Amino acid sequence: SYELTQPTSLSVSPGQTASITCSGDKLDNKYCAWYQQKPGRSPVLVIYQDKKRPSGIPERFSGSNSGNTATLTISGTQAMDEADYYCQAWDTTTKVFGGGTKLTVL
Amino acid sequence: QVQLVQSGAEVKKPGASVKVSCKASGYSFTGYYIHWVRQAPGQGLEYMGWINPNNGDTNSAQKFQGRVTMARDTSISEVYMEVSRLTSDDTAVYFCARDSGTYSLTYWGQGTLLSVSS
Repeated sequence: SYELTQPTSLSVSPGQTASITCSGDKLDNKYCAWYQQKPGRSPVLVIYQDKKRPSGIPERFSGSNSGNTATLTISGTQAMDEADYYCQAWDTTTKVFGGGTKLTVL
Repeated sequence: QVQLVQSGAEVKKPGASVKVSCKASGYSFTGYYIHWVRQAPGQGLEYMGWINPNNGDTNSAQKFQGRVTMARDTSISEVYMEVSRLTSDDTAVYFCARDSGTYSLTYWGQGTLLSVSS
């Protein structure tokens, strides 16, 4: 079965850039989505089709997908961005999630 | 506005079955797939499967095949997921979510907590 690997945790200072990676075999042959989840809440879609932002998602969130790695980048990270982030690989037969990355802003 | 409202928390014994519902509103019910995702306590998201509300077609992730059944009732814009032969490992929050034809889950329900304990 297809697997995605994310770092367990990442810490950044406010105003810095956070880059969260997601690795999988030939990942760029699939679409990648990213979700933000805060404690006790449902996930929120922040990036879809590798690099597109849903309406209402701040411009500081961006995405890329090349080779075996997709990356979620948060520019000018704010305290409100502290959350768990999950990547999801999506094609006709695969819709698997990565293990999640806990982003700490301190 | 699009809303997915799920049924309330459940407590079940090992070996039992549970049926979780997800009521959709604010859009054409038959126009978009509904997916199911679960999250065990303190763990990550786990994809379970999808249902096409238009024709009832379903597909479950390999891990859940044979134990998960999905159905829909178009007259009331509701989808259901039944999980049978429950074990403690099925203790989790279960989410329904809708895609938008954009290879992602755009809208999410509030989650349904299932506790399995003897």
